[in-house]
Amino acid sequence: ETGVTQSPTHLIKTRGQQVTLRCSSQSGHNTVSWYQQALGQGPQFIFQYYREEENGRGNFPPRFSGLQFPNYSSELNVNALELDDSALYLCASGEDSYNEQFFGPGTRLTVL
Amino acid sequence: GENVEQHPSTLSVQEGDSAVIKCTYSDSASNYFPWYKQELGKGPQLIIDIRSNVGEKKDQRIAVTLNKTAKHFSLHITETQPEDSAVYFCAASMNGYALNFGKGTSLLVTP
Repeated sequence: ETGVTQSPTHLIKTRGQQVTLRCSSQSGHNTVSWYQQALGQGPQFIFQYYREEENGRGNFPPRFSGLQFPNYSSELNVNALELDDSALYLCASGEDSYNEQFFGPGTRLTVL
Repeated sequence: GENVEQHPSTLSVQEGDSAVIKCTYSDSASNYFPWYKQELGKGPQLIIDIRSNVGEKKDQRIAVTLNKTAKHFSLHITETQPEDSAVYFCAASMNGYALNFGKGTSLLVTP
């Protein structure tokens, strides 16, 4: 086990709705990254937070946003859900940007 | 941006044989190359990584080689066991955190 937990494990939403996914990192991990993994594909980098500030972003629109809290928890928010947002969402945490990133088990989001 | 190609997409070997998975990357600025193993219903787990100042790294039955000139790196698993069956992903990164993943290799080790 990596010590990174995510909730919920599964979620079903309808197109146009908003969703919040949660991640709890290991104590002492200052970075959290979020990835989107479509079925049969590798994870795609959404963004990273370092000490509560966004530190880098992949090719995802602004309706994907995040928050990182001082208690090592974080959130991924997605507004105006689209069918293509259906995927496994993974968070990964690490001590800093240059060391191993530990992945959580993911949240499976289905958009109908 | 960085593009990572991974081959093969599926690989079936007999227990005890070796397995090799190959990846190529496009951006010469990439300097960190991890390999992840993902089992069904779980998140990716780091199994080995290599940085651009090293050509080869080994950890028990697992080894990774990096050819910076050709921009490719490979994962070698020796003496495969059924519990090695999983999906394996290679990744490349310029900054250590924004990992660009390949599409994965589904490895099946048959007894």
